[in-house]
Amino acid sequence: NAGVTQTPKFQVLKTGQSMTLQCAQDMNHNSMYWYRQDPGMGLRLIYYSASEGTTDKGEVPNGYNVSRLNKREFSLRLESAAPSQTSVYFCASSEVHGNNEQFFGPGTRLTVL
Amino acid sequence: QKEVEQNSGPLSVPEGAIASLNCTYSDRVSQSFFWYRQYSGKSPELIMSIYSNGDKEDGRFTAQLNKASQYVSLLIRDSQPSDSATYLCAVNPGNRDDKIIFGKGTRLHILP
Repeated sequence: NAGVTQTPKFQVLKTGQSMTLQCAQDMNHNSMYWYRQDPGMGLRLIYYSASEGTTDKGEVPNGYNVSRLNKREFSLRLESAAPSQTSVYFCASSEVHGNNEQFFGPGTRLTVL
Repeated sequence: QKEVEQNSGPLSVPEGAIASLNCTYSDRVSQSFFWYRQYSGKSPELIMSIYSNGDKEDGRFTAQLNKASQYVSLLIRDSQPSDSATYLCAVNPGNRDDKIIFGKGTRLHILP
């Protein structure tokens, strides 16, 4: 039981490049989330998927897109990376959306030059 | 603006003592509360959840919730150097979109 997995662990991009961060969970959870964490800013929600087939914007969605591929997988895409998107990205999942514990993946450390 | 406030620290506590971490939140109708531990360079790990007023104990950890005063705290008894980490408070404000809000965390340093 791997929990929440993320790939890649590290990535360096040049400004304007695109990439997709992958996330998968094997806990049969309905809800999945993408956060970014920056020093002094805490965890900020980018997008979430309360259930398979739905996605919604979080606090900081600009510059990102998401796809809930199936119940297990939730990807985050940067279409044209900017230095302001340098951050650590965490995927999380919960059994249901709302009053529920979230479980985090190991994170992706992204640097945009 | 719904907020979750924590003292950023660092909070330094001698080994074996009780560490007390506090969190206040702005939304009076908040329904559920969580404490996460995050070691440097690692992801947040859930350690406690609490949903009703009072104390909830799990091993060396006790979460305390006071909805009237809008605060939630985490006590760590018999603090160990391995407890040195950043502790994140998270609150579900109970509004329609049900998004959990995280505080910025308190850095805890246990002194050997």
